[in-house]
Amino acid sequence: DAKTTQPPSMDCAEGRAANLPCNHSTISGNEYVYWYRQIHSQGPQYIIHGLKNNETNEMASLIITEDRKSSTLILPHATLRDTAVYYCIVRVANNQGGKLIFGQGTELSVKP
Amino acid sequence: EAGVAQSPRYKIIEKRQSVAFWCNPISGHATLYWYQQILGQGPKLLIQFQNNGVVDDSQLPKDRFSAERLKGVDSTLKIQPAKLEDSAVYLCASSFITVGTGELFFGEGSRLTVL
Repeated sequence: DAKTTQPPSMDCAEGRAANLPCNHSTISGNEYVYWYRQIHSQGPQYIIHGLKNNETNEMASLIITEDRKSSTLILPHATLRDTAVYYCIVRVANNQGGKLIFGQGTELSVKP
Repeated sequence: EAGVAQSPRYKIIEKRQSVAFWCNPISGHATLYWYQQILGQGPKLLIQFQNNGVVDDSQLPKDRFSAERLKGVDSTLKIQPAKLEDSAVYLCASSFITVGTGELFFGEGSRLTVL
């Protein structure tokens, strides 16, 4: 599985967009980009995933560069409840569901 | 829909003792995962089951850790004997999809402290 690189920490003002970058320069053609987040003392929570195209759901948007070597997770209007560790993961989808390998993640602090 | 259930939530034991954690995945989920999360680190995959078969246990310290999913539903992770470095949160996750992509649903975890 390809490795990812994320900044260890970021701050964001409440109500502003939070843009979390991720580098995955060794990603393979059959690997998806996944984002999970982990709020303190809870299990990780799925946010969004994509292969080539940009994706959007009720939680966030995922922008993947054309060469697929990096991506950005966008939380359009960050709230204090978005304070968490955000993990960017590349994952092969196979007939066993594909395993998730977590890195260190980015600790996002949303400040009033 | 009920989420992934884990128990106990907290456990404190002395080193060299044994401990077991239980996980009940979301109904109908064929794939079950156990992760270990040491404080300040991302979760580390220990073992992955597909129904009652092991798909990947390459990161499981087999001299002291064991896991089973006998009927393809709930699962037990055991540590015997425990070491100080086993202090961590043990997370269980399940996934419905058997082909292609699919999100993992995580439980709240079982926090182990080894003294």
